[in-house]
Amino acid sequence: RKEVEQDPGPFNVPEGATVAFNCTYSNSASQSFFWYRQDCRKEPKLLMSVYSSGNEDGRFTAQLNRASQYISLLIRDSKLSDSATYLCVPEGADSSYKLIFGSGTRLLVRP
Amino acid sequence: SQTIHQWPATLVQPVGSPLSLECTVEGTSNPNLYWYRQAAGRGLQLLFYSVGIGQISSEVPQNLSASRPQDRQFILSSKKLLLSDSGFYLCACRDGPREKLFFGSGTQLSVL
Repeated sequence: RKEVEQDPGPFNVPEGATVAFNCTYSNSASQSFFWYRQDCRKEPKLLMSVYSSGNEDGRFTAQLNRASQYISLLIRDSKLSDSATYLCVPEGADSSYKLIFGSGTRLLVRP
Repeated sequence: SQTIHQWPATLVQPVGSPLSLECTVEGTSNPNLYWYRQAAGRGLQLLFYSVGIGQISSEVPQNLSASRPQDRQFILSSKKLLLSDSGFYLCACRDGPREKLFFGSGTQLSVL
């Protein structure tokens, strides 16, 4: 099993839609989780950190399911500018210096 | 806040030539430093990370090496580039465990 797995997509949704991505992780000791957004040919930028059961920031909500070892990202009222690749990275308590990213989920928001 | 300087933005090198990419960080001390590579259309591959001066952990055995001669300087090198070394190289930095990771603007390397 890969350390971090994400559905590559693309998810093609209309403006205003709600869309959710999942990220599964293999290290049950993972304590912290991060979602990044990456535009084409640019560096990833932090979208959200999750240290407990979840986090919410405006239209974005992250929820952690420790029992099933996945973290989800929900985007409400999608905007054209949300089109990007979304990367997740869990951090394990036992190897907290090593950060392995998922391969990313691509989102396309159409007019 | 941290600032990560990474250069050049683009680089075209012939097969077999050497490589040196430098990354410097401002606004923090004793950071964790990382080198990632992203092939076209693929995810981020962790190459090296460092938790202190002279301390390098390698994740992928290959013809690349990394060094950290100063606290806020991280260098990625190769003696002889391969075609498969082409990609988008990203330096990243964070203050410590459980902290957010920040990225430099990246170097697009094309090996021809």
